[in-house]
Amino acid sequence: IAGITQAPTSQILAAGRRMTLRCTQDMRHNAMYWYRQDLGLGLRLIHYSNTAGTTGKGEVPDGYSVSRANTDDFPLTLASAVPSQTSVYFCASMGYSGELFFGEGSRLTVL
Amino acid sequence: AQSVTQPDIHITVSEGASLELRCNYSYGATPYLFWYVQSPGQGLQLLLKYFSGDTLVQGIKGFEAEFKRSQSSFNLRKPSVHWSDAAEYFCAVVSQGAQKLVFGQGTRLTINP
Repeated sequence: IAGITQAPTSQILAAGRRMTLRCTQDMRHNAMYWYRQDLGLGLRLIHYSNTAGTTGKGEVPDGYSVSRANTDDFPLTLASAVPSQTSVYFCASMGYSGELFFGEGSRLTVL
Repeated sequence: AQSVTQPDIHITVSEGASLELRCNYSYGATPYLFWYVQSPGQGLQLLLKYFSGDTLVQGIKGFEAEFKRSQSSFNLRKPSVHWSDAAEYFCAVVSQGAQKLVFGQGTRLTINP
């Protein structure tokens, strides 16, 4: 089934550790996004990529980095995790009609 | 700045009752409008979208939404809710030509039996 695949599904991480959340899509969409979802705050955009080789900062980019080496993959890296980065992270791609397709999410707990 | 407001954080309705979830946006031009639903522990699923044309759009699961330009609103409705409709609902907006969706804070819907 075509779509967005995220890994890991869930992770507990010690503060200060480096962590990469993986995201892969097989729909050949140009634009991809990382959101974090926190109770009462909805979804906030962390970083985005309009096409392979380009990235941009969203609403809450501090502490996160992304890369877009090819169309399919869009990993999100936390260089040195902090407890405030405990959240559920969603990767998404934008379809040709403007709607977003979401992965199932990665639940990250930073202790 | 572009913004989306969902005034109701939590709504409770009885099964079989009608439902309306509110969404207001602030944009300079006519945007593309979306409603997404998120069941517990799941990702977001597109319910419906509005790009142009008929301002009343039909979606999946019996939902509909109406775009009202004069009120900058895109409210979601369902004539009769089912227990399986209990979820979180998000309104989202993107301006034409842009590639970033802006989401509202979400409305959590609880269904009483």
